[in-house]
Amino acid sequence: NAGVTQTPKFQVLKTGQSMTLQCAQDMNHNSMYWYRQDPGMGLRLIYYSASEGTTDKGEVPNGYNVSRLNKREFSLRLESAAPSQTSVYFCASSPDLSSYEQYFGPGTRLTVT
Amino acid sequence: GQQLNQSPQSMFIQEGEDVSMNCTSSSIFNTWLWYKQEPGEGPVLLIALYKAGELTSNGRLTAQFGITRKDSFLNISASIPSDVGIYFCAGQQHNYGQNFVFGPGTRLSVLP
Repeated sequence: NAGVTQTPKFQVLKTGQSMTLQCAQDMNHNSMYWYRQDPGMGLRLIYYSASEGTTDKGEVPNGYNVSRLNKREFSLRLESAAPSQTSVYFCASSPDLSSYEQYFGPGTRLTVT
Repeated sequence: GQQLNQSPQSMFIQEGEDVSMNCTSSSIFNTWLWYKQEPGEGPVLLIALYKAGELTSNGRLTAQFGITRKDSFLNISASIPSDVGIYFCAGQQHNYGQNFVFGPGTRLSVLP
């Protein structure tokens, strides 16, 4: 089992460009999450998906969109990247929303210039 | 939003020493989690605590859920080089996985 995989690992964008971060899990989990991690701050939830076909906003959703493509895949899209979106992005999954244990991917380091 | 404070922010210790770190909040939490993140990787869950006063161990790691429900502590005994990383606490007020609040982390360096 690969667990949670994320692509790409690194990305540099210019302001205004768009891109999609990909995430996939092979643990048959129902719930998936996108977080961002900034220096000196804890992880902050951007969006989550309780189950296939549903998505909900987290703490910091502005500037992002998500798609739960199927049970395995949950993508995060930046339509018009801004320097404030420079961060490390983590995808995570859990059996369901009531499960405390989330399994994290290795992260995508995004720089917006 | 909710905030968690972790102290110390960073620490350098000698291999073999014991380590203590804590996590505090102005709010009450129902669940406390401790994660470890190694360079280039995502966080990995170490210990989960579910009720006030609970003391739980995982090998050389011991964590406690503070009786005020506003804090939690993590101890690492006899540190080894592979303990290096950032240790995050996370608290949850409600019984759904999306409501966790993460602390900023304690960066641990172990000197041989």
